[in-house]
Amino acid sequence: DSGVTQTPKHLITATGQRVTLRCSPRSGDLSVYWYQQSLDQGLQFLIQYYNGEERAKGNILERFSAQQFPDLHSELNLSSLELGDSALYFCASSVGSRTGGGRAGELFFGEGSRLTVL
Amino acid sequence: AQTVTQSQPEMSVQEAETVTLSCTYDTSENNYYLFWYKQPPSRQMILVIRQEAYKQQNATENRFSVNFQKAAKSFSLKISDSQLGDTAMYFCAFIAPINNDMRFGAGTRLTVKP
Repeated sequence: DSGVTQTPKHLITATGQRVTLRCSPRSGDLSVYWYQQSLDQGLQFLIQYYNGEERAKGNILERFSAQQFPDLHSELNLSSLELGDSALYFCASSVGSRTGGGRAGELFFGEGSRLTVL
Repeated sequence: AQTVTQSQPEMSVQEAETVTLSCTYDTSENNYYLFWYKQPPSRQMILVIRQEAYKQQNATENRFSVNFQKAAKSFSLKISDSQLGDTAMYFCAFIAPINNDMRFGAGTRLTVKP
């Protein structure tokens, strides 16, 4: 158990709809990452938050948005869904220290939310 | 921007044998960390091994070890005494503390054959 919780584990919806994926990071971790993994593909970095602020943005579509709340949980919102959005969406957390050291940089992954768009 | 390249989409090895997975990366940073993650059929991402760039000594974790060549920007994973449970996708990853932006390679699918 990594300590990162993602809900829902599975989600089936239709094209054009909107969904929200939720992530609770490990206790004490300030940084949250979102990744998309399509079938048999690598992990595509979407976005990263650190202590409520957006820190880095990857290949995230304009139809997607995310935020990190004061209690450090994060939500990924996917709207106007298309068939190609079907994927496993991972959340990961880390301490997020800029100075490194200790277990700096190590990401702890949730079990993922599997989204199927029909 | 950092990039991570895994040039072996698939590999196989006989049980109890040794296999090496390759990874190269590109960065202008001097302080960074490298990782190998394992993703078994359950799709859970599991950390296998971690290497700090400022350490010359190669990291080892039981049957797993790395060959870190900083000048060549190479970071290969060696699995000794391969076990059936090692069958999984293996992802090489890079992160620099300056931006904490972790990037992954495309992965190598490893099959351990009995």
